Amino acid sequence: GAGVSQSPRYKVAKRGQDVALRCDPISGHVSLFWYQQALGQGPEFLTYFQNEAQLDKSGLPSDRFFAERPEGSVSTLKIQRTQQEDSAVYLCASRQNTEAFFGQGTRLTVV
Amino acid sequence: QQQVKQSPQSLIVQKGGISIINCAYENTAFDYFPWYQQFPGKGPALLIAIRPDVSEKKEGRFTISFNKSAKQFSLHIMDSQPGDSATYFCAASKEGTSYGKLTFGQGTILTVHP
Repeated sequence: GAGVSQSPRYKVAKRGQDVALRCDPISGHVSLFWYQQALGQGPEFLTYFQNEAQLDKSGLPSDRFFAERPEGSVSTLKIQRTQQEDSAVYLCASRQNTEAFFGQGTRLTVV
Repeated sequence: QQQVKQSPQSLIVQKGGISIINCAYENTAFDYFPWYQQFPGKGPALLIAIRPDVSEKKEGRFTISFNKSAKQFSLHIMDSQPGDSATYFCAASKEGTSYGKLTFGQGTILTVHP
């Protein structure tokens, strides 16, 4: 595709519900990142994949957060037992050389 | 921890004026300093970036000034236009042996009045 695609664009979850957020990176991009952007803040790193290998998950806030990229293309960020503090925009980025290309994000609201 | 500090939090400029946004970093291992522009409902988009071996980089109306000894860098937008109204983020990363994980500043909301 022309850019990084994320779905859904918006997600409302009841507290305790599990959610899955999808990222389709730019074709051929080896590197894929997930960031969390709280309202009025800059994005914060969650995790990094090189192809299918998750090389860094140091930014995941708790063991309720899990990410995968099984075939080295599409990635899914899963949040189990959502809490109100998980409400944020979740951004996916794929990278070519030094430039990271971001998707539009998924806005997650936990009620 | 806040490794990249950005100021001001918001900025209002008249059309044709100069917008200046400042950032300071702590980690001397950072070696790549991009600026991102974000419009409401969109993801951040790369605007301009600099490496620490140069003190200034200019692309059109956008200029990055870099002061390695002070660990500071700034974005200057010349001839600011209403279409420049957006949120701007500075960022920093370690390239080379690292994979380019970005550390972002808190963002500056720029409003350019016509």
